[in-house]
Amino acid sequence: NAGVTQTPKFRILKIGQSMTLQCTQDMNHNYMYWYRQDPGMGLKLIYYSVGAGITDKGEVPNGYNVSRSTTEDFPLRLELAAPSQTSVYFCASSYSRGSYEQYFGPGTRLTVT
Amino acid sequence: DAKTTQPPSMDCAEGRAANLPCNHSTISGNEYVYWYRQIHSQGPQYIIHGLKNNETNEMASLIITEDRKSSTLILPHATLRDTAVYYCIVRVATRDDKIIFGKGTRLHILP
Repeated sequence: NAGVTQTPKFRILKIGQSMTLQCTQDMNHNYMYWYRQDPGMGLKLIYYSVGAGITDKGEVPNGYNVSRSTTEDFPLRLELAAPSQTSVYFCASSYSRGSYEQYFGPGTRLTVT
Repeated sequence: DAKTTQPPSMDCAEGRAANLPCNHSTISGNEYVYWYRQIHSQGPQYIIHGLKNNETNEMASLIITEDRKSSTLILPHATLRDTAVYYCIVRVATRDDKIIFGKGTRLHILP
């Protein structure tokens, strides 16, 4: 199994541009998550999904959108990029909630200038 | 989720056991103790979790005190690759099941 994969690894955006961060997992996990991590800080939850067709907001959803059309994929869309969205983005998945561990992808490092 | 307290940094000699403490004095009965680590520039990695009993897997051991107010993660034979930030997290299943990462302990393995 590849686990959780993310593309791209790095990206530089200009202010106002849009992009989609891709996330795919091959573990047949129901739950998927998007976090962002600012330098020296912990992770903050942006959006999460409990299954295909179901998404919900986390702590910091403004400026982002998600969709979950399949179990495997959970893309994160940035519309009108702003410098405040400069961060490292991690996608994660888990089999279910509660006493199940989350598996994280390698991250996407995004810079908005 | 219960608040956790960890030392900001620790050193350990390569080949020795690394013992990372965590205080969670306000933990409630249905909250699990989890440990994750984050090696520089990588995504967080799950290590181990437990509720009441001590747990061991191929990576580490988790010792939880009888009153559950503190725990210790033990890496039995630390290597240079274990240099990372280690996060102690206590949580119960919630609607969004997010993980709240604090500042963790930065563990330096010394050659």
